[in-house]
Amino acid sequence: DMKVTQMPRYLIKRMGENVLLECGQDMSHETMYWYRQDPGLGLQLIYISYDVDSNSEGDIPKGYRVSRKKREHFSLILDSAKTNQTSVYFCASSPNWGGQNTLYFGAGTRLSVL
Amino acid sequence: QQKVQQSPESLTVSEGAMASLNCTFSDGTSNNFRWYRQHSAKGLEVLVSIFSDGEKEEGRFTAHLNRANLHVSLHIREPQPSDSAVYLCAVCDNYAQGLTFGLGTRVSVFP
Repeated sequence: DMKVTQMPRYLIKRMGENVLLECGQDMSHETMYWYRQDPGLGLQLIYISYDVDSNSEGDIPKGYRVSRKKREHFSLILDSAKTNQTSVYFCASSPNWGGQNTLYFGAGTRLSVL
Repeated sequence: QQKVQQSPESLTVSEGAMASLNCTFSDGTSNNFRWYRQHSAKGLEVLVSIFSDGEKEEGRFTAHLNRANLHVSLHIREPQPSDSAVYLCAVCDNYAQGLTFGLGTRVSVFP
């Protein structure tokens, strides 16, 4: 069964703290994504990773960085979190970045920055 | 940049009646469209992918694409209460930049 797993599911942090969101997939997909979802703005792309150590900024990368050291694992890091980074974060993966591949999404991480 | 708009914002239907959702996009050269469903506090589940004008059916879900009219629709046949969710239209122009999503249509199905 194809699966994208996100940890943790819920997280509360104080402003200025560092945040690590983790995502794993068991499908050997090359491409992985981080999105955030906010009311009225919808889903916005933060970063794409085409494979290990091959990452590219999406539409809203400011304040975020990513790490992909293994194909099955993609991390989103917030250094010194800000209150406007309160959101629901979704990780997704697809077999590769070309063609008509479907994106498979995790269940999301709800982050609150106080 | 691709703009994706969905209508209506919300839709209430009776169990068994057809539900129809609309999505318009701004770039007619796009050829990669998907409908996702998102249950409350859950991830996104892909329902239908469509890549050429016409119709694509996946079970009770049918997508219609008309690129000349910049329109893609989703029809849900015999909706059930378990179909109550937010439905998202997504367009892919460049896989190097992922999908562009609409804001969604919230569908409520009542017995």
